[in-house]
Amino acid sequence: ETGVTQTPRHLVMGMTNKKSLKCEQHLGHNAMYWYKQSAKKPLELMFVYNFKEQTENNSVPSRFSPECPNSSHLFLHLHTLQPEDSALYLCASSPFGGSDSGNTIYFGEGSWLTVV
Amino acid sequence: GEDVEQSLFLSVREGDSSVINCTYTDSSSTYLYWYKQEPGAGLQLLTYIFSNMDMKQDQRLTVLLNKKDKHLSLRIADTQTGDSAIYFCAPGWDSGAGSYQLTFGKGTKLSVIP
Repeated sequence: ETGVTQTPRHLVMGMTNKKSLKCEQHLGHNAMYWYKQSAKKPLELMFVYNFKEQTENNSVPSRFSPECPNSSHLFLHLHTLQPEDSALYLCASSPFGGSDSGNTIYFGEGSWLTVV
Repeated sequence: GEDVEQSLFLSVREGDSSVINCTYTDSSSTYLYWYKQEPGAGLQLLTYIFSNMDMKQDQRLTVLLNKKDKHLSLRIADTQTGDSAIYFCAPGWDSGAGSYQLTFGKGTKLSVIP
């Protein structure tokens, strides 16, 4: 139990569907992250939110739309995805998003996404 | 950007020591992390080291850092079958604009032979 909870753990969706991944952290952190882990590439940072403000969009296609209503919750809205978007999507949080003085990042268990 | 390289596979016998190596390119990382990922699970933070340290020991784990050569290693003493997992090296860096990031290697899959 890392204090970062992701739902659903598994999701199968068609290319025309709209779905959302949810992440909640119970650690009192101020920064939240979405990472993508696929079989072919190393873990890739997608988005960073610091105090609810997006501070990083790592050239992610617009079919992925993040939302951070408060420092404890982060969503990833999915729309018209492609089969190559099938991957493990990991949410993470850290005390803060800036200076890296021991700013430890904690990960959730991930959401396995399959696009058919 | 940062590049991180790790060997993809390591196989050791139960009870032996495991050493997982990592090289990175960006010398500005002030903290460097090791994460463990078991099958079907997320990433578990194992340990981290500050860049002005050469070594950090935490129970069975020893982290060695050679900042000059940009080389990081994780030693697991008395390796157990429960240590079988993928291990990721991840230097941390501040991209500015309030965005702290980790760059991950592809991970080293450790297999422990009973």
